[in-house]
Amino acid sequence: DPKIIQKPKYLVAVTGSEKILICEQYLGHNAMYWYRQSAKKPLEFMFSYSYQKLMDNQTASSRFQPQSSKKNHLDLQITALKPDDSATYFCASSQDWQDTQYFGPGTRLLVL
Amino acid sequence: QQNVQQSPESLIVPEGARTSLNCTFSDSASQYFWWYRQHSGKAPKALMSIFSNGEKEEGRFTIHLNKASLHFSLHIRDSQPSDSALYLCAVTTNTGKLTFGDGTVLTVKP
Repeated sequence: DPKIIQKPKYLVAVTGSEKILICEQYLGHNAMYWYRQSAKKPLEFMFSYSYQKLMDNQTASSRFQPQSSKKNHLDLQITALKPDDSATYFCASSQDWQDTQYFGPGTRLLVL
Repeated sequence: QQNVQQSPESLIVPEGARTSLNCTFSDSASQYFWWYRQHSGKAPKALMSIFSNGEKEEGRFTIHLNKASLHFSLHIRDSQPSDSALYLCAVTTNTGKLTFGDGTVLTVKP
């Protein structure tokens, strides 16, 4: 059974719209993260949360908002979508910040 | 701002060869050092990590760290075709942020 679930697997959106990417982990971890990977840029850190508190935010834009409703959930809301947002978004989790981060299968987002 | 650089960009080796991948980082206060492997279309998966100077071996994989030189490396012994993948080095800060290099594409020819 997958321990980190990301939904949806694929997402096509129009420019200017808003989407929410879902992430749930069943590893009992205390820290969760979002990363982004595109053809133009390497795997890039976006956010880290520990015990549902924001630890680090490296996104330059407020269009990206993480949402943590439960300890094992960290969703990513993206507003005013742009074609440049097209990428695979990976959720990850770890027991604590220094421990191994396990990545989910990713959500592949295409903005037209 | 942490800068992580990997070399080479790509590498083709025969099956059974020993492979060496390199990573340099810029922040001397970096604490944990990682190698991840990503097969095509899949999520990155952690291979190994190290936090103190020296060497650590796990099966066919060995990681070396030299903090003074701002350098760490991954060595693969007896490379297999299944080792063909994108190898990513990464450095951790105390917020859990992993800063990744651009990766090395390894191809192991049978």
